[in-house]
Amino acid sequence: GAGVSQSPRYKVAKRGQDVALRCDPISGHVSLFWYQQALGQGPEFLTYFQNEAQLDKSGLPSDRFFAERPEGSVSTLKIQRTQQEDSAVYLCASSLYTGGGNEQYFGPGTRLTVT
Amino acid sequence: GNSVTQMEGPVTLSEEAFLTINCTYTATGYPSLFWYVQYPGEGLQLLLKATKADDKGSNKGFEATYRKETTSFHLEKGSVQVSDSAVYFCALSDGTNAGKSTFGDGTTLTVKP
Repeated sequence: GAGVSQSPRYKVAKRGQDVALRCDPISGHVSLFWYQQALGQGPEFLTYFQNEAQLDKSGLPSDRFFAERPEGSVSTLKIQRTQQEDSAVYLCASSLYTGGGNEQYFGPGTRLTVT
Repeated sequence: GNSVTQMEGPVTLSEEAFLTINCTYTATGYPSLFWYVQYPGEGLQLLLKATKADDKGSNKGFEATYRKETTSFHLEKGSVQVSDSAVYFCALSDGTNAGKSTFGDGTTLTVKP
């Protein structure tokens, strides 16, 4: 079956531009996570949705970052007025259930480069 | 807050060698522990997990035991293959945060024939 998909796979933005990154989770998965992965580091949590509700956005680095999942399936991570420090791989993951012991299925990521 | 510290790489081994990648954690409560693997050009995928103390996770010849007394979850494999070359991430998930995961920085393993 289809896994988690993300688009675009690569995005180059000029500093100050707005970008939108899309995540299509596995159908029926309740939980959806966004992570940011800098080069040579592990993923860092950005935000979490349970269905359409954004229950945790404690990892969003600034108010330039905004995420939504309006119908409880597809999610979009938006970054306004991009800065060079936003350059990273943005990973989306989904999980069938909520709770700490559940496997997260990761998408391939979107590599964002801000020039 | 939660944190994961894993052995720095890169690690280079010959085929059939024994592998250990160390992982220790700091967490509140009773986290679940995971090893994820990222093969070249692919996304992160779960390798194995353990959800309570003394549990052993295993998959594809890899094993890791949840040791609460030493707050560790070391990854081991008795005989590595070239196809095991990848980046390995240790992670924990605190049940109080709906599955949000904290990751280590990854260890790159290269296995040479």
